[in-house]
Amino acid sequence: AQSVTQPDIHITVSEGASLELRCNYSYGATPYLFWYVQSPGQGLQLLLKYFSGDTLVQGIKGFEAEFKRSQSSFNLRKPSVHWSDAAEYFCAVGARTNAGKSTFGDGTTLTVKP
Amino acid sequence: DTGVSQNPRHKITKRGQNVTFRCDPISEHNRLYWYRQTLGQGPEFLTYFQNEAQLEKSRLLSDRFSAERPKGSFSTLEIQRTEQGDSAMYLCASSQSSGGTYEQYFGPGTRLTVT
Repeated sequence: AQSVTQPDIHITVSEGASLELRCNYSYGATPYLFWYVQSPGQGLQLLLKYFSGDTLVQGIKGFEAEFKRSQSSFNLRKPSVHWSDAAEYFCAVGARTNAGKSTFGDGTTLTVKP
Repeated sequence: DTGVSQNPRHKITKRGQNVTFRCDPISEHNRLYWYRQTLGQGPEFLTYFQNEAQLEKSRLLSDRFSAERPKGSFSTLEIQRTEQGDSAMYLCASSQSSGGTYEQYFGPGTRLTVT
């Protein structure tokens, strides 16, 4: 069965500082991997995705993520955080063989200090 | 493309009542998914449809829950005899199966509160 672990429940960074959110997954083959952002009371917005090819993927809002098969990781990064990035971030793994049904981590809440 | 829409956005109901939620997917998407999200957790898969066929249901979906997608367009999720444990955000997502990437687009969710 597929699973996702986001080790950090809550992260606080200063505006302008760099950010890395961790994601580890468990899946028997090469998965689809996603990062979503959710603002309070809202649905999920897709930031970026990995399906195949280049292991460094670029997303919206200046985010990027790197797929590392040897570490079963898909960490999200941003070089300079803006106050508007404060939100909850979810990593998800999608099965290639089961209609892409996604399994989500429990999320990391990002707080940005002025 | 107006995105995925869900109605109502909020629903407060008393324990034991039935509730129904609606999801309208992106028009050209043939797959539709329902997820449930409780406070402090990520979304959990409930069920999905390809066109009008319901292809998988999670064990989370008790016999009080039923979902339909009668014409392969919009979908409804009904909860009968609601319980306080049903209080959650119910999220709908849609995707296009062609291309094989199954990228899902989410709606804003319906927040259910059972009192």
